[in-house]
Amino acid sequence: RKEVEQDPGPFNVPEGATVAFNCTYSNSASQSFFWYRQDCRKEPKLLMSVYSSGNEDGRFTAQLNRASQYISLLIRDSKLSDSATYLCAVNIDDYKLSFGAGTTVTVRA
Amino acid sequence: AAGVIQSPRHLIKEKRETATLKCYPIPRHDTVYWYQQGPGQDPQFLISFYEKMQSDKGSIPDRFSAQQFSDYHSELNMSSLELGDSALYFCASSFWNQPQHFGDGTRLSIL
Repeated sequence: RKEVEQDPGPFNVPEGATVAFNCTYSNSASQSFFWYRQDCRKEPKLLMSVYSSGNEDGRFTAQLNRASQYISLLIRDSKLSDSATYLCAVNIDDYKLSFGAGTTVTVRA
Repeated sequence: AAGVIQSPRHLIKEKRETATLKCYPIPRHDTVYWYQQGPGQDPQFLISFYEKMQSDKGSIPDRFSAQQFSDYHSELNMSSLELGDSALYFCASSFWNQPQHFGDGTRLSIL
């Protein structure tokens, strides 16, 4: 079983819609949590860190639920430019990141 | 702002050849990480260095080695290349345990 599991999607949504998806992790000792965005075989780009209190960055909201061992990402008012693969990443120790397989989001006009 | 710089961007090699990938971290970042991403796969951690010392090791084949130099740049050396080594290789850097930032990657193709 992978350490980090994601719903692969794809999520096909119209512009302006809200889309949300989760990521579960298996190691309860996981310390840090992140969402990265990856476009078409380019490098993962840090979207946001995820904190227990939840955090918001513009149209993006991330939540962490330690008890149930999942994190979520919600995108409001979707734009065409939000089309990408969203990678959940988890730090178990100070060093390596374990990634999920990614959730594909396609926003259509 | 300065980002992680990787070279080369693309590399084509034949089986059993060697390759060296280079990574220049963001200035003042003290930790460098190497990841391998195969087609349709998520990035897999290979190895990391903190202050020029190996800090963690993942699924890195014995044919691969890496090091971090005094100027904090890192090199990934790959020998006896196999077809299965064809992948995107990303370097990331961070300051201590802050979020990792990735370079553009090196696309390695083995013929």
